Amino acid sequence: DAKTTQPPSMDCAEGRAANLPCNHSTISGNEYVYWYRQIHSQGPQYIIHGLKNNETNEMASLIITEDRKSSTLILPHATLRDTAVYYCIVRMYSGGGADGLTFGKGTHLIIQP
Amino acid sequence: GAGVSQSPRYKVAKRGQDVALRCDPISGHVSLFWYQQALGQGPEFLTYFQNEAQLDKSGLPSDRFFAERPEGSVSTLKIQRTQQEDSAVYLCASSSPGTTYTGELFFGEGSRLTVL
Repeated sequence: DAKTTQPPSMDCAEGRAANLPCNHSTISGNEYVYWYRQIHSQGPQYIIHGLKNNETNEMASLIITEDRKSSTLILPHATLRDTAVYYCIVRMYSGGGADGLTFGKGTHLIIQP
Repeated sequence: GAGVSQSPRYKVAKRGQDVALRCDPISGHVSLFWYQQALGQGPEFLTYFQNEAQLDKSGLPSDRFFAERPEGSVSTLKIQRTQQEDSAVYLCASSSPGTTYTGELFFGEGSRLTVL
């Protein structure tokens, strides 16, 4: 799986949009971009994923650049409960259920009141 | 249950003791993964099961680590002769091909092992 680069930490004011960047310049054509987050003392939680189109769900939006070498996770109205470590993961997904995840160190997002 | 359940949540062991960590995946999930997470680091892959078959154990750090899933549901991670460097959170995750094909892994809250 391709390697990703994320800033180690970021701050965001409560109620504002949190924009978390991720570089994945060696991504290949059949690799997806996944985002997970890990709140303190909990297991990682899936947020969103995409291949090349922008994606949105009830938790977040994912913007992938046209060349697919970077992406941004957007939390539109951050709350204190969004304080967590956010992991950007590039991964091939075959649909067979055998594909694991390779985590980096992620970005520690701190939402300030 | 509704989610992945792990027990115990916390385990303190003396160096040299054997420990066993249990994972109850989401009912019907075929795939099961174990990860190890050291303090301040991201989770690292240990091993993978598809039903009862252990298809990948490339991440197990030594032969003191052993995992099983004999009936294709509950899994146990066993660590023999624990060392201080084994202190970590051990995470279990399950997934199923399903119809959505999102590739989402569902994680438990982990078992925190402290070796004294």
